[in-house]
Order: sequence, then C-alpha cells, then structure tokens
Amino acid sequence: DIQMTQSPSSLSASVGGRVTITCRASQVIGTDLAWFQQKPGKAPKSLIYAASTLQRGVPSKFSGSGSGTDFTLTISSLQPEDFATYYCQQYNNFPPTFGQGTKLEI
Amino acid sequence: QVQLVQSGAEVKKPGASVKVSCKATGYIFTNHYFHWVRQAPGQGLDFMGIINPNDGSTTYAQKFQGRFTMTRDTSTTTIYMEVSSLRSEDTAVYYCAREYDGSVDYWGQGTLVTVSS
Repeated sequence: DIQMTQSPSSLSASVGGRVTITCRASQVIGTDLAWFQQKPGKAPKSLIYAASTLQRGVPSKFSGSGSGTDFTLTISSLQPEDFATYYCQQYNNFPPTFGQGTKLEI
Repeated sequence: QVQLVQSGAEVKKPGASVKVSCKATGYIFTNHYFHWVRQAPGQGLDFMGIINPNDGSTTYAQKFQGRFTMTRDTSTTTIYMEVSSLRSEDTAVYYCAREYDGSVDYWGQGTLVTVSS
C-alpha cells in the first residue's frame, strides 16, 4: 500500500492567518490526491480532489497544489470554523490510503 | 440534493454481527460507486472497500477481507456494510461515501458501532 505522510501532525495558527499542510506519498501518484476536513464528532467533508480542484461549494480560501509525490493544502484568511483536522488521501493505487491527519488549532 | 443517511448507533456483544445501512437520495443511485471508511476512536480514517451499485461487485482492502460484507439494494437505493464475529477492535464509526472522479464527494453522517460485553 502507498504510505501517505502528513506534516506537521499539528499546528497552531491565528484567526486571519494562513497555513500550509504538506502531504507526501511513498510513490508517484500523479495528481490523484484529495483533501478532507473533519471536525470533532462530525463526518469528514471533501474539500479538494485531483490535487487542486475544489469540490462544489468549497470556498476559494482553500487551495491545493502538487503532483508526483509532494502535495500541499493552503488555507488562507483563517476563521474559527476552519480549526479542524485535515486528511490527505491518495486514490491512484488500490487501496486508497489516508495520511495520519493534521490538527489545526488556534 | 445529494444525501447519504446512515442507520443509527449500535451496541453489540463480541461475536455478534451488525449491519449498517446507508441510504442514498438526490441523484441516480447506480451512477456512482460507494466507499466505506472506518474510524476507530481517536484515530484516523481507514478505507475498507468499494461497491459498484450496478452489479453489486465489491473490492475490499486486505485488512477488511473475511468478516466484512458490502451489499446493495437498488430498489431502496441503499448500501450495507455487515461485520460478523465482532471484536472489541471493531468499535468505530463507520462512514459511507459516494465516489466521484476516483475520489469521494459526499459522506454519510457516520454510524457508531460499539462492541462491548
């Protein structure tokens, strides 16, 4: 299985700020990379697929980039509702595999 | 609008079985595959398997082969995940999700399965 490694595992940021989360795949996956947001006690929410394409209804403050093995998720103009755990997932090879998550805290 | 609505929380004894449902509405049921994802308490997301609602064909992640069975009922636009011979380590939230362009777009709200004697 492809291993997905996110960094950092947690980070602190301020309202109004900007953060970048990194995801690295153990082998080349093209742009078959998705990002999800999960708040405590809630189902994950799909943010981005194909490394950089926003899911319907996701605000443009979220952006994704990368290809091959290295990917980033950037969140700008942080608001209180953005503080959550973020997961990347590759779907280039079966089985799809998730990163361990990055907890974004105030 | 697309909605995936899952069945309610379950409490089961070790060795029992549980069947979680996920009803899809708001789109053509057979147009999209479904994923099942498990999340143990305080842990990350773990892909379980995928089901094709057209013919019911399934593919499981190796870790979820044997005691796990995905099925679908096209008449009620519902998919199911059955787990048999439950163990304490099966305690988790189980999610269904709709596949879109290889990834997933919509998720069910999750079903907590607690295995306890």
